[in-house]
Amino acid sequence: EAGVAQSPRYKIIEKRQSVAFWCNPISGHATLYWYQQILGQGPKLLIQFQNNGVVDDSQLPKDRFSAERLKGVDSTLKIQPAKLEDSAVYLCASSLIGLAGAGDTQYFGPGTRLTVL
Amino acid sequence: GIQVEQSPPDLILQEGANSTLRCNFSDSVNNLQWFHQNPWGQLINLFYIPSGTKQNGRLSATTVATERYSLLYISSSKTTDSGVYFCAVENTDKLIFGTGTRLQVFP
Repeated sequence: EAGVAQSPRYKIIEKRQSVAFWCNPISGHATLYWYQQILGQGPKLLIQFQNNGVVDDSQLPKDRFSAERLKGVDSTLKIQPAKLEDSAVYLCASSLIGLAGAGDTQYFGPGTRLTVL
Repeated sequence: GIQVEQSPPDLILQEGANSTLRCNFSDSVNNLQWFHQNPWGQLINLFYIPSGTKQNGRLSATTVATERYSLLYISSSKTTDSGVYFCAVENTDKLIFGTGTRLQVFP
């Protein structure tokens, strides 16, 4: 079974530029998550999709971050314009169901390491 | 919001040693998971353990939900166990990650 795929693996941009990340979840997984992991910290949830609908985006900085999951499969996360503090690893994860207490495991992709200069 | 604290923050072991990692959380949770993040950044789920004890090879975990803590035991450690161990608790359909324990195992 193929895992969660992400691209690119690395990206270096200057502040105020735009950047987009792509994620392809495990086939058949209804729920997709984007996390931001700043160096030395645990991952922080940015947005959660159930199929193609948003379940939780309370921690997404909506003035500069946007995400979509068209057709309930692949997803893109965009930052426009980027700031220095956006330097982090952006992790995508997927799970089969995504319901609390359902015994659902999240499977993580390899991440995209973003450096903003 | 719920707070998740892990201890120790850093741990250095010689190969073959045993260790115990602790996770404390501040409120009741639906779910608790332990993850290993290897030196290349890949996060791997180790255990889904909202309560009780589970074992998988040299690793085992125990969660005492009523006392709001979980323990991860690593026995006969190997260099490949190096990385960061996170516990994450599920509260209202959202995983909240702890601060992590960085483990380094030397030969």
